[in-house]
Amino acid sequence: DIHMTQSPSSLSASVGDRVTITCRASQSITNYLNWYQQKSGEAPKLLIYGAFNVESGVPTRFSGSGSGTDFTLTINSLQPEDFATYFCQQSYSFPITFGQGTRLEIK
Amino acid sequence: EVPLVESGGGLVKPGGSLRLSCEASEFTFSNSAMNWVRQAPGKGLEWVSYISSGSGYIHYADSLRGRFTISRDNAKKSLYLQMNNLRVEDTAVYYCARVRFYGSGSLGGMVVWGKGTTVTVSS
Repeated sequence: DIHMTQSPSSLSASVGDRVTITCRASQSITNYLNWYQQKSGEAPKLLIYGAFNVESGVPTRFSGSGSGTDFTLTINSLQPEDFATYFCQQSYSFPITFGQGTRLEIK
Repeated sequence: EVPLVESGGGLVKPGGSLRLSCEASEFTFSNSAMNWVRQAPGKGLEWVSYISSGSGYIHYADSLRGRFTISRDNAKKSLYLQMNNLRVEDTAVYYCARVRFYGSGSLGGMVVWGKGTTVTVSS
């Protein structure tokens, strides 16, 4: 199985900040990496697919990069609604696996 | 109208069974591959199972194979998860989610999610 490791596990930031969350795969997944945002009590929301493709309707302040084993989610100019938990997920092979999550909190 | 609605969750004793359903609207269900994903209280996301649009490809999390069975009825626009021999550690919110493909059929993320149904396994 491909193990996904996110860092940091939690992060404090202020409105207007730029934040970066990283995800590392235990083996190459080329660019089969997806990012989700989950707010408390809600279902996850797909933000980025294929490492860098922004899902329709997602604000342009969200971007993804990386390939192989190392990936990054960047949020430019944090907005109040961005404080949530973020998960990466690989769709390179079954079983599909998720990172453990990064909780983004208001400083 | 909500595109995916799960049902069938509830309280069940260890060793019991439940059948979850997920009814789709607003998209062509018969052309869509689907996943079940679960989330234990206060924990992260755990993928459970995948089924292709025509049921020809099915995959399970290794730890669940043999106890859980995924199926679908495209005529009823419905996805199912039969869960047998339930354990306390199966307690979670169970989500159904539509798979996104991109490019020349590359498997992307899960683009449409239901609100989830809660399964509690307890004596």
